[in-house]
Amino acid sequence: GENVEQHPSTLSVQEGDSAVIKCTYSDSASNYFPWYKQELGKRPQLIIDIRSNVGEKKDQRIAVTLNKTAKHFSLHITETQPEDSAVYFCAAGRGGGADGLTFGKGTHLIIQP
Amino acid sequence: NAGVMQNPRHLVRRRGQEARLRCSPVKGHSHVYWYRQLPEEGLKFMVYLQKENIIDESGMPKERFSAEFPKEGPSILRIQQVVRGDSAAYFCASSPRSGADTQYFGPGTRLTVL
Repeated sequence: GENVEQHPSTLSVQEGDSAVIKCTYSDSASNYFPWYKQELGKRPQLIIDIRSNVGEKKDQRIAVTLNKTAKHFSLHITETQPEDSAVYFCAAGRGGGADGLTFGKGTHLIIQP
Repeated sequence: NAGVMQNPRHLVRRRGQEARLRCSPVKGHSHVYWYRQLPEEGLKFMVYLQKENIIDESGMPKERFSAEFPKEGPSILRIQQVVRGDSAAYFCASSPRSGADTQYFGPGTRLTVL
């Protein structure tokens, strides 16, 4: 089955700086890669996703890049703000049969004021 | 997505009791997924259901756990004879169709087994 590795587990950056979180996946059949933000005690919230026919996608301060050959994808947050502090999860999924997402273990992002 | 409803939000059970978790998907969504999240960990896929069908239950323990999504009513995740290791947050998500599509998560049910 699919295996998703996520790094780092904790990331501390100064407010205003950029943050980058990286994930790798193992199943070349995966074609959908969402990123979720989860605040303490809350539900995971989708912040951005990318499909395998696209190499990069941007939404304001958030961008995701995908390298299908190397099987890795990254989340980039620019001009970080205190409200960006949360746990971020990457995930991978595929169409057809098993559509459950496989999640990474999460990155605790801390924005230092 | 605020449209996915789960209840109860918190559930306390003693060892050996049954836990029943409910999930109402976004209106019009026919695909439901259940995930389990242990403290300080990511979400683990358990089961994927469409109306009246279990499509993939590869992540669900073979014993004590069952799931259904009837033609009418919410999806139910049932855990029989709960043990302390079942304590976790259980999230359901829904999507309008299968394939590479967005999954919207509910607020979760936090199960505590005493």
